[in-house]
Amino acid sequence: DAGVIQSPRHEVTEMGQEVTLRCKPISGHDYLFWYRQTMMRGLELLIYFNNNVPIDDSGMPEDRFSAKMPNASFSTLKIQPSEPRDSAVYFCASSDLGHRNYGYTFGSGTRLTVV
Amino acid sequence: AQSVTQPDIHITVSEGASLELRCNYSYGATPYLFWYVQSPGQGLQLLLKYFSGDTLVQGIKGFEAEFKRSQSSFNLRKPSVHWSDAAEYFCAVATSKTSYDKVIFGPGTSLSVIP
Repeated sequence: DAGVIQSPRHEVTEMGQEVTLRCKPISGHDYLFWYRQTMMRGLELLIYFNNNVPIDDSGMPEDRFSAKMPNASFSTLKIQPSEPRDSAVYFCASSDLGHRNYGYTFGSGTRLTVV
Repeated sequence: AQSVTQPDIHITVSEGASLELRCNYSYGATPYLFWYVQSPGQGLQLLLKYFSGDTLVQGIKGFEAEFKRSQSSFNLRKPSVHWSDAAEYFCAVATSKTSYDKVIFGPGTSLSVIP
C-alpha cells in the first residue's frame, strides 16, 4: 500500500494566487481529513469527509478555503485567493473506522508558502 | 469542552535512557486515546491506541502507554531511547464512541536525543 499520497510536497505562490492541494487516500478508507499545521496553532482540523460527503467544515478558516471529494480516491483543498497567513503545512489523512484499523494514516503533507 | 494537554513542550534525553512523555485529557466519558509521532518533514504516524481493556498498551517501535482514568492521563514510555526517536510526539483523544473519527490533538512534545 502506498499510503496517503499528497501533492505537491512544496508549493510557493504569490499572494492572491489560487492554490490547489491534492490528496489520494488509502483505498478502502471511508474517512478523509484535511489538517493544517503551524507553529502557532499546532494541528487544526479544517474539514473531513465520510464516503465523499463533507461532514464538518467548521474548521475552514474562511470562504477563501474550499474542499471537494469528487470520488473515493481523490480530494482537493483550494485556497483562492491565497494570503501570506495561509503559509503552513497541510496534511491529508484517511481512516478506516469500520474495521480494526482505527486511527488516522497521514500523508507527508504539503508545505505551502505564500509570499 | 474536550481538551488534550501535553505539559512538556520539549524534552531532551540521552540515548539509552528511559523516556516518559506526559499527556492529560479532559473528557467526561471513556476516551479513545492515541499517540502519534512526527519525524521531521513527515506526516504523523500512529504509535499506539487505547480503546478499552488492558490499560497498558503496546505500540510500535518499542513504545507503550498506560491509561490511568483516575489521573486522566495517557503517558507514553520507552525503556531505552534510540537516536532515531528524536521527533515530535502528539497525544490525541477521540471525543466520543460515535464520532471517534474526529480527533483532538495535543500541542505536541518535541524530543531531542543526545548521543
